Amino acid sequence: GDSVTQTEGPVTLSEGTSLTVNCSYETKQYPTLFWYVQYPGEGPQLLFKVPKANEKGSNRGFEATYNKEATSFHLQKASVQESDSAVYYCALSDLSAGNKLTFGIGTRVLVRP
Amino acid sequence: GALVYQYPRRTICKSGTSMRMECQAVGFQATSVAWYRQSPQKTFELIALSTVNSAIKYEQNFTQEKFPISHPNLSFSSMTVLNAYLEDRGLYLCGARDWGANTGQLYFGEGSKLTVL
Repeated sequence: GDSVTQTEGPVTLSEGTSLTVNCSYETKQYPTLFWYVQYPGEGPQLLFKVPKANEKGSNRGFEATYNKEATSFHLQKASVQESDSAVYYCALSDLSAGNKLTFGIGTRVLVRP
Repeated sequence: GALVYQYPRRTICKSGTSMRMECQAVGFQATSVAWYRQSPQKTFELIALSTVNSAIKYEQNFTQEKFPISHPNLSFSSMTVLNAYLEDRGLYLCGARDWGANTGQLYFGEGSKLTVL
């Protein structure tokens, strides 16, 4: 079945530094890839999605490139802020599996001022 | 914009009792609703995927007898946790999919947190 593996957290860093959260996936088909973000006490929110290979998604300074050859979708941000502290989930959706959304385990990111 | 509301936000129930949670989609037609449980270990487990006018598909380890789901129209779904025990605690999330969208994006509610005493 489909699976998503991502950086094990927590990831702790200082404001203004760069962030990378690794994500790799396994699927037999051609999925759409997602990054969701979850703040304490809230449900997950879509950060961005990329439906096609070799394309990049971005939002709020975060970006990730759908790398089909490497089966990766790493999340990056050049300069984080304290408000970026949250749990980030990489996910994939596979049409052949009825559009089931499969999540990674999540990476907690803590940004210190 | 698309919004999903879940209620109740929090419930505390005694072991062996049941809890019903509801999910309301606003601003779009929710043809599919996925119910997830986020356990204390923070993993998303898919319980079932419900599509209007189709059979509800439960994932392994989850059954209709334990988690009956109703999805009567394009804006509402409910799920009940029957005979809840300690292992059922967690945050139950409803994710609704927009009509015609084929990328699998789900709009999530804020969840219904279940505590079992």
